[in-house]
Amino acid sequence: GAGVSQSPSNKVTEKGKDVELRCDPISGHTALYWYRQSLGQGLEFLIYFQGNSAPDKSGLPSDRFSAERTGGSVSTLTIQRTQQEDSAVYLCASSLARLPGSYEQYFGPGTRLTVT
Amino acid sequence: QKEVEQDPGPLSVPEGAIVSLNCTYSNSAFQYFMWYRQYSRKGPELLMYTYSSGNKEDGRFTAQVDKSSKYISLFIRDSQPSDSATYLCAMSFGGYNKLIFGAGTRLAVHP
Repeated sequence: GAGVSQSPSNKVTEKGKDVELRCDPISGHTALYWYRQSLGQGLEFLIYFQGNSAPDKSGLPSDRFSAERTGGSVSTLTIQRTQQEDSAVYLCASSLARLPGSYEQYFGPGTRLTVT
Repeated sequence: QKEVEQDPGPLSVPEGAIVSLNCTYSNSAFQYFMWYRQYSRKGPELLMYTYSSGNKEDGRFTAQVDKSSKYISLFIRDSQPSDSATYLCAMSFGGYNKLIFGAGTRLAVHP
């Protein structure tokens, strides 16, 4: 079946502009995660959605970052007033997250963001 | 000190070699352990997923978890040039939780 898809695959933006990154999870997966992969920083967690529960936003680096998930499916990560240090690959993952087991997270191809 | 330590390599081996990749961690509360493979400019691909201590085998890949030593390993038998990638270990406290990643080890298998 179809995997996690993300768009755009690449985004170049000027410092100070807002950007929106989109994630389509695997159909039927209830949990959705955003991670960021920076050179020299590895993969770091940003935010997590599970069903109708309040999202876990503990990894968002500043209030310029926000995310929403509409209808329990598609998610959008928004970065306002982008800074050069926001340049990274933004990865989305989804998980079936049903007992027992099935917590494996499957990743999309990522969006490469470059802030000039 | 990082929660998960992983030698970034690079690790270069000849085709057919047995490869050993390792991670250590500091928090004994981790329960789920994963290995991902990431090719250049691609998303991470899940290779192995284990719960608690023990071994798990899938084809040429074997994952080991030693919770008493806070140490996990991935072994690749009969390595192939197509195994050349970055290998990321990841772990979580519980099913729904975020993953904590190691830095990744770059592996090159040369013919």
